Amino acid sequence: EAAVTQSPRNKVAVTGGKVTLSCNQTNNHNNMYWYRQDTGHGLRLIHYSYGAGSTEKGDIPDGYKASRPSQENFSLILELATPSQTSVYFCASGPTFSYEQYFGPGTRLTVL
Amino acid sequence: GQQVQQSPASLVLQEGENAELQCNFSTSLNSMQWFYQRPGGSLVSLFYNPSGTKQSGRLTSTTVIKERRSSLHISSSQTTDSGTYLCAMREGTGSKLSFGKGAKLTVSP
Repeated sequence: EAAVTQSPRNKVAVTGGKVTLSCNQTNNHNNMYWYRQDTGHGLRLIHYSYGAGSTEKGDIPDGYKASRPSQENFSLILELATPSQTSVYFCASGPTFSYEQYFGPGTRLTVL
Repeated sequence: GQQVQQSPASLVLQEGENAELQCNFSTSLNSMQWFYQRPGGSLVSLFYNPSGTKQSGRLTSTTVIKERRSSLHISSSQTTDSGTYLCAMREGTGSKLSFGKGAKLTVSP
């Protein structure tokens, strides 16, 4: 069973503060993804990675940075958090050239 | 813009009734995938269905590429089917998914 974990599970941040969301996968998957889910929008891709050291912009990258320091870890960084970034964030991992994506449990972020 | 249109946005059923969920896509499609999200939870893959019909228990997925649509049929719904169903499409040979907005299903006893 594919295992993707996220931390923290819940986070309250202040406007202008820095927020780092972490994702870890033990499946040895090359591909990792960060999505946000908002009512009325479904899941939208923020950043993704094809392997350690690589990050690519997704469909809504503005205001977010990503870091993939190792095969297992993929972080999403909000340098200057804004209330519009209040959302539920999901990380996923998947093998190369595959339709498979395995999702983590999600992180609920509230920016006040 | 949104490449995947999902309908209906919400559906309320009595236990035992059938549900039909639809996705239409506006661009060329490589494959369509259906996910289930339990209330407040994560996503699990139900079907990977690039074309044709696939069945798993009470769930049937049909994708017709020429007509740019995919459907998910749930027969004899149960209260445990309640949750959100999302379709997602892949373009080309990449692994990126574009999701529909989801369909919230509520099944009452």
